[in-house]
Amino acid sequence: KAGVTQTPRYLIKTRGQQVTLSCSPISGHRSVSWYQQTPGQGLQFLFEYFSETQRNKGNFPGRFSGRQFSNSRSEMNVSTLELGDSALYLCASSLGGSGAETQYFGPGTRLLVL
Amino acid sequence: DAKTTQPTSMDCAEGRAANLPCNHSTISGNEYVYWYRQIHSQGPQYIIHGLKNNETNEMASLIITEDRKSSTLILPHATLRDTAVYYCIVRGGPMDSSYKLIFGSGTRLLVRP
Repeated sequence: KAGVTQTPRYLIKTRGQQVTLSCSPISGHRSVSWYQQTPGQGLQFLFEYFSETQRNKGNFPGRFSGRQFSNSRSEMNVSTLELGDSALYLCASSLGGSGAETQYFGPGTRLLVL
Repeated sequence: DAKTTQPTSMDCAEGRAANLPCNHSTISGNEYVYWYRQIHSQGPQYIIHGLKNNETNEMASLIITEDRKSSTLILPHATLRDTAVYYCIVRGGPMDSSYKLIFGSGTRLLVRP
């Protein structure tokens, strides 16, 4: 079974621009979670989607948003990019039925904001 | 905040067992212990998880103390490819709505040739 895929793998943007990242979960998984990883803050939870609805949200500003499609694929968007948004963005998928299910991570999208 | 405490770094010789400790003294009865690892700049890789009993899979063994306040991840025969940051995470059980994983700083394991 194919793993979690994320596109693009690398991205360079400038301040003020917006960016959209994509995540395709493992087949049959209905939950997609997004995380941000930076050297200073480590791995932090952004939000989680299940059945096209945001089910859980981390402590990030409204510039960070996401959505999920009927095929469980998910996108996250960051508007008005700041230098501090440079990070590795990871998505993880799970079956989605309960909170205890194992999450499987994709390879990440590395975003550099200049 | 992370509910676990791990040593910042460890090392072991290739071919020997790597034993990575984790303290989770505030764990509650329905919380699981999960282990992930992250090889440089890749996505975290799931290793193993457990509730009360010891667990073993093709990658590792997880030993949880009887009082559940600490655990040890064992890589029985470490290889150079096991060099990574290992994260111990406590998260809720089936009825818990906390879907997020809370990562601490992890343990940086260096496997020496």
